[in-house]
Amino acid sequence: GAGVSQTPSNKVTEKGKYVELRCDPISGHTALYWYRQSLGQGPEFLIYFQGTGAADDSGLPNDRFFAVRPEGSVSTLKIQRTERGDSAVYLCASSPTGTGKETQYFGPGTRLLVL
Amino acid sequence: EDQVTQSPEALRLQEGESSSLNCSYTVSGLRGLFWYRQDPGKGPEFLFTLYSAGEEKEKERLKATLTKKESFLHITAPKPEDSATYLCAVKTTDSWGKLQFGAGTQVVVTP
Repeated sequence: GAGVSQTPSNKVTEKGKYVELRCDPISGHTALYWYRQSLGQGPEFLIYFQGTGAADDSGLPNDRFFAVRPEGSVSTLKIQRTERGDSAVYLCASSPTGTGKETQYFGPGTRLLVL
Repeated sequence: EDQVTQSPEALRLQEGESSSLNCSYTVSGLRGLFWYRQDPGKGPEFLFTLYSAGEEKEKERLKATLTKKESFLHITAPKPEDSATYLCAVKTTDSWGKLQFGAGTQVVVTP
């Protein structure tokens, strides 16, 4: 079956602009996660949704970052007033129910470059 | 503070030369330890989950083991297609969804 998909695969923007990154989870998965990965590092947790609600947003670095999942499926990560330090690969993952021991399945990522 | 440390940072192997990767962790309580493989330009691909000390899992040339302080990923007789970055991650008992990753070990297997 189809895995997690993310669009766009690459995004180049200018400092100060607004960007939206989209994630389509595996069909039927109720839990969705966003991570950010810088070069040479492991993924860093941003936010976790259980259904439509954010169950844990403790990893969002500041109030320029916001994520939504209005219908409990597709999610959008929104970054306002982008900074060069926001350049990274943004990864999305999903799992069937979000119970603590579940495996998270990752998408291919969106590579964001802020000039 | 919870920490996950992987070593070595990079490993270069000849085809057929077995080796082990280390993931040491310091956490308040472990819910599970996960191993992923990541190829350049792609997302992490799930390999194994280990839940308790003494547990072992195997898949083809890979075997993962877990103790109370660390996990090992053993690569037996590797092939060039095993070249990738191997990531370990922990889920703690006080964090329902968050995976905390190490920085990874980059493995290159030459023919």
